[in-house]
Amino acid sequence: GQSLEQPSEVTAVEGAIVQINCTYQTSGFYGLSWYQQHDGGAPTFLSYNALDGLEETGRFSSFLSRSDSYGYLLLQELQMKDSASYFCAAPSNTGKLIFGQGTTLQVKP
Amino acid sequence: DAGVTQSPTHLIKTRGQHVTLRCSPISGHKSVSWYQQVLGQGPQFIFQYYEKEERGRGNFPDRFSARQFPNYSSELNVNALLLGDSALYLCASGIMGGEETQYFGPGTRLLVL
Repeated sequence: GQSLEQPSEVTAVEGAIVQINCTYQTSGFYGLSWYQQHDGGAPTFLSYNALDGLEETGRFSSFLSRSDSYGYLLLQELQMKDSASYFCAAPSNTGKLIFGQGTTLQVKP
Repeated sequence: DAGVTQSPTHLIKTRGQHVTLRCSPISGHKSVSWYQQVLGQGPQFIFQYYEKEERGRGNFPDRFSARQFPNYSSELNVNALLLGDSALYLCASGIMGGEETQYFGPGTRLLVL
């Protein structure tokens, strides 16, 4: 089957750095995407890794290791507005995005 | 530019009824995907349409159907509603489909009583 595993909850304080891990088992792996979803809102695209290594976009970075079937999202200089659910997702060649169960990040003052 | 739009935003139905949800993709996008998101879980893929053809189908019963119109907007139909169909239904658009970046609409929250 195809599955992506990520922790259910993470808590961190404002200004800190947090890492959200994602391990995957998928056939026909093309890369790993990350989405952010605030309560009651739509998922919004954060980043995509097609190749191994680190991709940086402002305060957010994402990493992929194909050999380890593992990736992570790194959030730096945490702000209260970063409190949300974060999903890793694997795209397929049929347009299907397979999502993990999501990690709820709570940022505390 | 307008993002992905969905209607209605909220809907309450009773078991056995049918429902039609609508989605308009971002201008220039030719693919539309539908996802079901149950509270506390990640979105589950239902369908993708590209250039008015079904390109992919998830593990959902035949009660779920969809179509895409010449203007690339899309409808998701669900017949014989069950309590378990209560969820947030998300529509996502993409330029071609299959790419890693999909743009999601705000969703339709369906409650089946």
